[in-house]
Amino acid sequence: AQSVAQPEDQVNVAEGNPLTVKCTYSVSGNPYLFWYVQYPNRGLQFLLKYITGDNLVKGSYGFEAEFNKSQTSFHLKKPSALVSDSALYFCAVRVPNAGNMLTFGGGTRLMVKP
Amino acid sequence: DADVTQTPRNRITKTGKRIMLECSQTKGHDRMYWYRQDPGLGLRLIYYSFDVKDINKGEISDGYSVSRQAQAKFSLSLESAIPNQTALYFCATSDPGTNTGELFFGEGSRLTVL
Repeated sequence: AQSVAQPEDQVNVAEGNPLTVKCTYSVSGNPYLFWYVQYPNRGLQFLLKYITGDNLVKGSYGFEAEFNKSQTSFHLKKPSALVSDSALYFCAVRVPNAGNMLTFGGGTRLMVKP
Repeated sequence: DADVTQTPRNRITKTGKRIMLECSQTKGHDRMYWYRQDPGLGLRLIYYSFDVKDINKGEISDGYSVSRQAQAKFSLSLESAIPNQTALYFCATSDPGTNTGELFFGEGSRLTVL
């Protein structure tokens, strides 16, 4: 069975500072990894994905994530946070040929203070 | 217009009532999903459908049923609603042709069962 853990319920960061939202996963096989963002009263929006290749993946709105196979992690990062980045962030994992199902983490609320 | 549209966006009902949540999409995707979001639990899969004749149970299907009326329409029913079905429900689609599993979400239907 595949699983995803987001160890922090909330991350607080000052505007302009770098941010990291953590994600670790457990799968059998090579994972496809995703980050989604949810703004208030909205559905989830795709940010970025790792399928294969370069471990550093760049996505929307200046976000990036680093795939670390040895640590089974896929942390979301941004060099300089904006107040508008405040939202709920979800990490998700899928194992190819395992039913095409995404398994989501519990979510991390990012609060960026001015 | 949104590619994935859910109706109603908000619904308050009473225990024992039958409720239907509807989802329609204009993305032309064969695969459709219903997820439930609860605080701290992330998104959990209720049912999914890979085409009109294919319906599959997800992680938490008890108390729910679905109908795939057409490629573009996938509805979720609660035959006899109970308070612990109070949650935010999301419909999503994916394109099997990309083989990445990326999901495209509607804006959610907030259901409150009193």
